[in-house]
Amino acid sequence: GAVVSQHPSRVICKSGTSVKIECRSLDFQATTMFWYRQFPKKSLMLMATSNEGSKATYEQGVEKDKFLINHASLTLSTLTVTSAHPEDSSFYICSAEGRDYAGYTFGSGTRLTVV
Amino acid sequence: ELKVEQNPLFLSMQEGKNYTIYCNYSTTSDRLYWYRQDPGKSLESLFVLLSNGAVKQEGRLMASLDTKARLSTLHITAAVHDLSATYFCAVDAGGADGLTFGKGTHLIIQP
Repeated sequence: GAVVSQHPSRVICKSGTSVKIECRSLDFQATTMFWYRQFPKKSLMLMATSNEGSKATYEQGVEKDKFLINHASLTLSTLTVTSAHPEDSSFYICSAEGRDYAGYTFGSGTRLTVV
Repeated sequence: ELKVEQNPLFLSMQEGKNYTIYCNYSTTSDRLYWYRQDPGKSLESLFVLLSNGAVKQEGRLMASLDTKARLSTLHITAAVHDLSATYFCAVDAGGADGLTFGKGTHLIIQP
């Protein structure tokens, strides 16, 4: 079945530094990648949607200069949290939609802690 | 704007009992998903329901979809402790926005 590899699974960084999260589709072409953020005991909140080779579309209230999304190929999308602050601490999950099948495949998530 | 309402949001039940989680949504869609999430983990796909009247079963879980009522249910039969988790329904309304999630049902099954 379709697999999306997300890493790192956990990262701790200092305030002011940047962190990059990668999602790779291993056995299919991800035409669209969705990035979600999840706070404890809450649902998933869509941050942005990206299509291969084009700029990401951000949801209202999500700072595009802070959360940089790159979808340079059909198998790789990255989310970079720039100048991270403690309030950016959260669980980040990617989800890929493929060209040739119906449905969405989720990455394993990244727990970001900013200290 | 698509809204997905899930209830109950919290459910504590005893092993061996049956219960149903409900998922209502506000706009036309014929693609509905159910996911399970364990603490600290990502989402595990349970069911994909793609048409009106669809019913799928896996073990003690059964999901159904009524697109006319805009309602999906996840029924748990003879619950066991291992089913304790948070369950999300999500609706795909088409277009470029992907899935819209319900708030989740935090399910605790007590021995």
